[in-house]
Amino acid sequence: EIVLTQSPGTLSLSPGERATLSCRASQSVSSSYLAWYQQKPGQAPRLLIYGASSRATGIPDRFSGSGSGTDFTLTISRLEPEDFAVYYCQQYGSSALTFGGGTKVEIK
Amino acid sequence: EVQLVESGGGLVQPGGSLRLSCAASGFTFSSYSMNWVRQAPGKGLEWVSYISSSSSTIYYADSVKGRFTISRDNAKNSLYLQMNSLRAEDTAVYYCARDEVAAAGLDYWGQGTLVTVSS
Repeated sequence: EIVLTQSPGTLSLSPGERATLSCRASQSVSSSYLAWYQQKPGQAPRLLIYGASSRATGIPDRFSGSGSGTDFTLTISRLEPEDFAVYYCQQYGSSALTFGGGTKVEIK
Repeated sequence: EVQLVESGGGLVQPGGSLRLSCAASGFTFSSYSMNWVRQAPGKGLEWVSYISSSSSTIYYADSVKGRFTISRDNAKNSLYLQMNSLRAEDTAVYYCARDEVAAAGLDYWGQGTLVTVSS
């Protein structure tokens, strides 16, 4: 089973700053099968990025994804107040899906 | 509008059983694979189970294999999770989530239903 490790655990930033979140896989992941989600307290997760770099419907272009193999990155170019939340990466394996442990982006 | 509405959660004793349901609307349910994902209080997301559109392919997380059974009724636009031999560590909010075509992410989620396993 592929393990996804997200770092940092918590990112303290101010609105307007750039956020860079990392997701590292224990073995190579097909870029086609790597997704990112945002979750706010009391809400279900929301799909942000699929296929490592494609934005889901309605997602602002300040969100971008990149990476391949074992290293993937979610970048938020300029943080808006509504972007402070927890972010998860997720991959599709041959017979299972796995999520990373999450990165919390908090207001500094 | 795509909607997924879970139900069936509640308080159950260790060793007990519970059946969760997810009612789907606003899309052609029979064309999509579906998943159950859970989240323990204050913890991260954990994938639980996957079922293909025709029920021909089913997967489970190791943590629930042999205890949980996923199923669907395409005629009723419904997804189910039968949970047996429940343990305290199964306590979580359980979400159903639609699998976008070609494994392109879980694009729609329900609001979740809370399962609490406690004596």
